[in-house]
Amino acid sequence: SYELTQPPSVSVSPGQTARITCSGDALPKQYAYWYQQKPGQAPVLVIYKDSERPSGIPERFSGSSSGTTVTLTISGVQAEDEADYYCQSADSSGTLVFGGGTKLTVL
Amino acid sequence: EVQLVQSGAEVKKPGESLKISCKGSGYSFTSYWIGWVRQMPGKGLEWMGIIYPGDSDTRYSPSFQGQVTISADKSISTAYLQWSSLKASDTAMYYCARGMAGSGFDPWGQGTLVTVSS
Repeated sequence: SYELTQPPSVSVSPGQTARITCSGDALPKQYAYWYQQKPGQAPVLVIYKDSERPSGIPERFSGSSSGTTVTLTISGVQAEDEADYYCQSADSSGTLVFGGGTKLTVL
Repeated sequence: EVQLVQSGAEVKKPGESLKISCKGSGYSFTSYWIGWVRQMPGKGLEWMGIIYPGDSDTRYSPSFQGQVTISADKSISTAYLQWSSLKASDTAMYYCARGMAGSGFDPWGQGTLVTVSS
């Protein structure tokens, strides 16, 4: 079955830039989406269509795509950004899939 | 305000049946997909399947095909996830979310915790 691969954890200091990657063979042909999940809360969409930001999401969140890898970038990380981040896309048949998730720790 | 409100937590025994719900409000319920997502304790998100309430087009993730049934009643703007015979391994938080092609899934319901224990 199709898989999206994320690093289990990323750590950054406040004010620095965090980059979380997501790799998958179908990413050149399928859009990627990113969700933020804080403990005890439902996920929230932070990036759609690889690089679009929903209304209400801070400008420090951005997304990019290159080949089989998409990247979520958080510039000027704040303590409130500490959360689990999941990429989501689809395989060639349209079946939806999530990455395994990345725990962002703000030191 | 677009909102999805899920039914409350459930405690069931193995072998029992269960149907949980997700009620949409603040938008045209028949114009967006509703997806169901499982999150087992301490684990990541897993897609279970999606339904388009407008015509009941339903698609299951291969891992969940035959294990659950997804349905919707557009007259009351409510989607459902049901099991005919629960197992202990079905213990998890279940989320519904509204989706549209190219727009991702947003918003999400608050989640329904299902606990299956003898």
